[in-house]
Amino acid sequence: ILNVEQSPQSLHVQEGDSTNFTCSFPSSNFYALHWYRWETAKSPEALFVMTLNGDEKKKGRISATLNTKEGYSYLYIKGSQPEDSATYLCASFSGGYNKLIFGAGTRLAVHP
Amino acid sequence: GAGVSQSPSNKVTEKGKDVELRCDPISGHTALYWYRQSLGQGLEFLIYFQGNSAPDKSGLPSDRFSAERTGGSVSTLTIQRTQQEDSAVYLCASSPGLGTTEAFFGQGTRLTVV
Repeated sequence: ILNVEQSPQSLHVQEGDSTNFTCSFPSSNFYALHWYRWETAKSPEALFVMTLNGDEKKKGRISATLNTKEGYSYLYIKGSQPEDSATYLCASFSGGYNKLIFGAGTRLAVHP
Repeated sequence: GAGVSQSPSNKVTEKGKDVELRCDPISGHTALYWYRQSLGQGLEFLIYFQGNSAPDKSGLPSDRFSAERTGGSVSTLTIQRTQQEDSAVYLCASSPGLGTTEAFFGQGTRLTVV
C-alpha cells in the first residue's frame, strides 16, 4: 500500500503568520506529487502538480517544493489570511501503483 | 459550467438497501476516480478508471461495492446491502490523463445509512 503521510494533522496560526506543512511519500517509481486545498462545503481544488526533483511552484502567497529522492514536499503559506483556512491535501501518483493516493491532510485554521 | 457533476448530493437510506451514486466527469477526461471520506478521516481511494484499461478496484472495501463506467464517460458506484459504516461523503474526480495532470472533483454525495 502506498503511504502518503502529512504533518501536522492540524495547525492554528494567527493572521499574518507564515506557516508550512510536510508531505512524505515513497520515492520509488515517482511520477507526480499534487497539492489540493479543500475548503468546508466545497470540493478539493488543485494548487500544484509537481513532477521534477527540485521543482518549486508558486501561486500568490502559497508555494511548494519537491524532493523526489528523499520523498518529501513542503507547502508554504506566507502571511496567512483567514480565507486560507482549509484542509490541505497532498497526493502521490507513482508508477508502481498507477493511481492518485491522498494523505490524510493538514487542517489549517487562521485566526484574525 | 462543465465541471464534474455528482448526483444525488445527499442520500439517506435504510440499512440493507442498495444505493447508486452517479458521476458525470468533464468531457474528454480519460481518468476517473472514486474516493470516500468517512467522518474524521482522509480521502480513501476506492476505484480508478483510465481510458479503456481494466479498472483498478483495489480500494473497494468489500464485494458489496462495485462501479462501472459506460462509454468512457458517466460512472456509477453501487453499494449493495448498505451498512452504517458505509456512511460517508463519496467524491468523484476526473482528469485529462495520467497522474501528471490535476484532478477535478465533484461536489460529492453525502450518504447516510440509518
